[in-house]
Amino acid sequence: DAGVIQSPRHEVTEMGQEVTLRCKPISGHDYLFWYRQTMMRGLELLIYFNNNVPIDDSGMPEDRFSAKMPNASFSTLKIQPSEPRDSAVYFCASSPTGGIYGYTFGSGTRLTVV
Amino acid sequence: GENVEQHPSTLSVQEGDSAVIKCTYSDSASNYFPWYKQELGKRPQLIIDIRSNVGEKKDQRIAVTLNKTAKHFSLHITETQPEDSAVYFCAASGGGGSGGSYIPTFGRGTSLIVHP
Repeated sequence: DAGVIQSPRHEVTEMGQEVTLRCKPISGHDYLFWYRQTMMRGLELLIYFNNNVPIDDSGMPEDRFSAKMPNASFSTLKIQPSEPRDSAVYFCASSPTGGIYGYTFGSGTRLTVV
Repeated sequence: GENVEQHPSTLSVQEGDSAVIKCTYSDSASNYFPWYKQELGKRPQLIIDIRSNVGEKKDQRIAVTLNKTAKHFSLHITETQPEDSAVYFCAASGGGGSGGSYIPTFGRGTSLIVHP
């Protein structure tokens, strides 16, 4: 298996633009998680899905953030409009059974909003 | 909800020395404690985990201990090598339902620097 695949690896965008981050989980993993990592706040859970259904989005910072999982093999995290404070590394992770057997993280997307 | 505290935030050791990273948690229902290693510019990767029915687990040069009474667990790395330099994250999660959330709560991370 190729692991959790994220794209793009790096994204530089101007403030106000829409940004879409993509994730393909490991086949057979029923849980998908989106995290944001910054020096100030560490690893923050933004949202997670179980069987393509959003379960908890309480970590989504504001309405500018949205996430979808249209099928078991694809998820997107969208920021519209983007702001400089959204600059961070965004990780997608998947797990076969929630978090009780550990996660497999993707390589992350480094987002810079200028 | 669960709260995980991790110390120290930075740890600097000489090659060959041992390193210990400590975490405390607040939810007594937590029963699964993974550790992740994140090398610079890379993804966090699971390196070892422990469940509440054991007190210690070893895998070559790394070991994790758990004290459920005190609600703390630790990562021990012996004979450190420069390639051990990374950020290490602890996490705690429960069994879901009345047993607590099965979604892990992460510590803030420890930056381990091993000097050659």
